[in-house]
Amino acid sequence: NAGVTQTPKFRVLKTGQSMTLLCAQDMNHEYMYWYRQDPGMGLRLIHYSVGEGTTAKGEVPDGYNVSRLKKQNFLLGLESAAPSQTSVYFCASTGLAGVSYNEQFFGPGTRLTVL
Amino acid sequence: GNSVTQMEGPVTLSEEAFLTINCTYTATGYPSLFWYVQYPGEGLQLLLKATKADDKGSNKGFEATYRKETTSFHLEKGSVQVSDSAVYFCALRDFGNEKLTFGTGTRLTIIP
Repeated sequence: NAGVTQTPKFRVLKTGQSMTLLCAQDMNHEYMYWYRQDPGMGLRLIHYSVGEGTTAKGEVPDGYNVSRLKKQNFLLGLESAAPSQTSVYFCASTGLAGVSYNEQFFGPGTRLTVL
Repeated sequence: GNSVTQMEGPVTLSEEAFLTINCTYTATGYPSLFWYVQYPGEGLQLLLKATKADDKGSNKGFEATYRKETTSFHLEKGSVQVSDSAVYFCALRDFGNEKLTFGTGTRLTIIP
């Protein structure tokens, strides 16, 4: 099992450009999350999904959109990137049963710089 | 709302020293509590957890006890190693809530 994977690992954008970050999990987890990590601020939840076809806003959703068309994938989109979106983005997933119930599994992160 | 407060870093210790990283929480219900660890250049991974009062989570020599009376979940290790250098996050998940609330993280550096 690969667990949670994220693509790309690094990206540099210019202000106003758009991009999509892809998260994939092979653990058949129901819940998926997108976080951003900034120095001194811990992890902040951007959007999350409790199942295929559903999404919900987290703590800092402005400037981002998400989609969960397939259970294993969770996409994070930036329509018009801004320097304030320079951050490290983490995807995570959680299952509803089994020994890992209640545990969030994290991907390796995507480092995004917006110039 | 829910919140997690953990001791600010960075924390620098010598190898084999005793470690304590403080974590206190505020929750409206009966949360599960977690410690996650982030090694350089990696995502977070679960270190240990406790799901009810007086439970002790333990893993890799680290321990934390869920103290409801003091709303705390302090992380301890008796003898740290250089390989323990990482950022440690305390987190809670309220019952029936699918979201985690994280502290701001504590960077730990162990020097030989």
